[in-house]
Amino acid sequence: GAGVSQSPSNKVTEKGKDVELRCDPISGHTALYWYRQRLGQGLEFLIYFQGNSAPDKSGLPSDRFSAERTGESVSTLTIQRTQQEDSAVYLCASSSQGGNYGYTFGSGTRLTVV
Amino acid sequence: KQEVTQIPAALSVPEGENLVLNCSFTDSAIYNLQWFRQDPGKGLTSLLLIQSSQREQTSGRLNASLDKSSGRSTLYIAASQPGDSATYLCAVRSWETSGSRLTFGEGTQLTVNP
Repeated sequence: GAGVSQSPSNKVTEKGKDVELRCDPISGHTALYWYRQRLGQGLEFLIYFQGNSAPDKSGLPSDRFSAERTGESVSTLTIQRTQQEDSAVYLCASSSQGGNYGYTFGSGTRLTVV
Repeated sequence: KQEVTQIPAALSVPEGENLVLNCSFTDSAIYNLQWFRQDPGKGLTSLLLIQSSQREQTSGRLNASLDKSSGRSTLYIAASQPGDSATYLCAVRSWETSGSRLTFGEGTQLTVNP
């Protein structure tokens, strides 16, 4: 596609429910990243996928968070047993392989846990 | 661990003024540095990407410079307009994690008053 697409754009869920967020990267981009941005705060790295290599999960805040990506396509970020502190905008970005390339971000999913 | 700092945190200027946003980073072993713009409730839009071997990049009224040895970058906005009002984020792609992660500053919130 022309850009990074994220869905849903907004999600309201009850505390304790599981949610799944989706990211469609730019076609041909081998690298995919998830970030979290709480209200009024900076971006927090969550997880990074590069091709078929093992993902860098070092930013995931707890074992309630997991993410998957099949090959170089769609990625899903799953949050189990959501808590109010999970409320944030979840941003996905993709990039071509190699350090010379920049990142392209999606519009984000705004998650509200009530 | 790479750390990125942006100064000032907030800036309010009258329309037409030229302004400079500052970004500093602690580890000079970088691939590149990217400036983004974020409008309220939106994702990130890439403005300029400077490779580690470059000194500056220009796009329209925007000019970004990079001094890798001193760990500094500036974003210069000429003849500011109310439409420039947004949060500006500086992000460094560094060697620390095999070039796989952007480290973001906290951003500068810019308001251009008509």
